[in-house]
Amino acid sequence: EAGVTQFPSHSVIEKGQTVTLRCDPISGHDNLYWYRRVMGKEIKFLLHFVKESKQDESGMPNNRFLAERTGGTYSTLKVQPAELEDSGVYFCASSQGPRPFVTYEQYFGPGTRLTVT
Amino acid sequence: AQTVTQSQPEMSVQEAETVTLSCTYDTSESDYYLFWYKQPPSRQMILVIRQEAYKQQNATENRFSVNFQKAAKSFSLKISDSQLGDAAMYFCAYRNSTQGGSEKLVFGKGTKLTVNP
Repeated sequence: EAGVTQFPSHSVIEKGQTVTLRCDPISGHDNLYWYRRVMGKEIKFLLHFVKESKQDESGMPNNRFLAERTGGTYSTLKVQPAELEDSGVYFCASSQGPRPFVTYEQYFGPGTRLTVT
Repeated sequence: AQTVTQSQPEMSVQEAETVTLSCTYDTSESDYYLFWYKQPPSRQMILVIRQEAYKQQNATENRFSVNFQKAAKSFSLKISDSQLGDAAMYFCAYRNSTQGGSEKLVFGKGTKLTVNP
């Protein structure tokens, strides 16, 4: 079974440009999460989808970030326009569910390293 | 808001020896989950071990075990008989147990473990 995949693995863009990151979760996983790690800091939660709906988007830094999950399958995270402070590694994770009183493991993708120059 | 602190940015251990990675957290919740994730160089993050706060017994997974001290809000990871393949970045993470709410993980900054042959 394929794991969580992310594309691209690395992206270098100039400040002001637009970048779209893609995440393909494990097949059948309803939950999809985006996280970000800025250099030297903690991995921070961005948002959580349950199928195609946004369950929690409290971690989205500002309105330059737009996440979508079409048809409850893959997800995209668009940054427009990109700023220098957006540089970091963006991780996607997925998990099964939901079922009451069951905590499912989050499986992580390899991450997309975004560099804004 | 919950926070997770890993006070050791880097640790090293000799092959076959034992090493303990520290993690403390802060929460006002009584029920939650704690995790240790491992990210080998250039590879995906994987779950090493998890602990439910309501369980008094410390979790173990083969050579990996935790020392969970709920009152002290401490959650350390012990790796016994260290192997070269254990070299990785280790992240401690917290998650609320609230059903139907956000399942976001709160991470520490990570500890880079080096295993010396």
